[in-house]
Amino acid sequence: DARVTQTPRHKVTEMGQEVTMRCQPILGHNTVFWYRQTMMQGLELLAYFRNRAPLDDSGMPKDRFSAEMPDATLATLKIQPSEPRDSAVYFCASGINTEAFFGQGTRLTVV
Amino acid sequence: AQSVAQPEDQVNVAEGNPLTVKCTYSVSGNPYLFWYVQYPNRGLQFLLKYITGDNLVKGSYGFEAEFNKSQTSFHLKKPSALVSDSALYFCAVREEHSGNTPLVFGKGTRLSVIA
Repeated sequence: DARVTQTPRHKVTEMGQEVTMRCQPILGHNTVFWYRQTMMQGLELLAYFRNRAPLDDSGMPKDRFSAEMPDATLATLKIQPSEPRDSAVYFCASGINTEAFFGQGTRLTVV
Repeated sequence: AQSVAQPEDQVNVAEGNPLTVKCTYSVSGNPYLFWYVQYPNRGLQFLLKYITGDNLVKGSYGFEAEFNKSQTSFHLKKPSALVSDSALYFCAVREEHSGNTPLVFGKGTRLSVIA
């Protein structure tokens, strides 16, 4: 049963610390998306990659967020330094044609 | 620019009654349309999509959606609601032939099915 795997599922960290979220896309999918979900803003696109190349990261605060795909089986989203306003659920999704398939998300709490 | 509107934050329906969750969209060309469901503490699960062809699309768990080009709508429907259908529902759009570009999501509609 192919699925997108995200780790960790939950993360509590102190303000100013670095946070790294990881995503393993479905094997064979060439497009990876990072979304953030909050009560106020709903689902926001942060960045996406196709064939490991970043195509759009305009949704990310560039001064603190970075997204990479070191290889086809791993996508990472880093926040440094983290702030309380970064508290949200971060979703990774992958796709190849039309629909995207989502992971379970990483619930980040910055205190 | 593409956009999706889900005009209802919350929909309440009695178990066994039909349900409708509304969605309207805006794209400059033809749309690809999607519905996803999110259960508590879970990711979004794909329900169904409209790409081309028959305007009535059938998906998972007995859900269906009707594409209406003139009204730019893609409402989600189910003939008989179950308590287990209670969840957060998202409509999403992408423009046709835009490649595998990111989906643009609506704000979501919380469905509550009451026994």
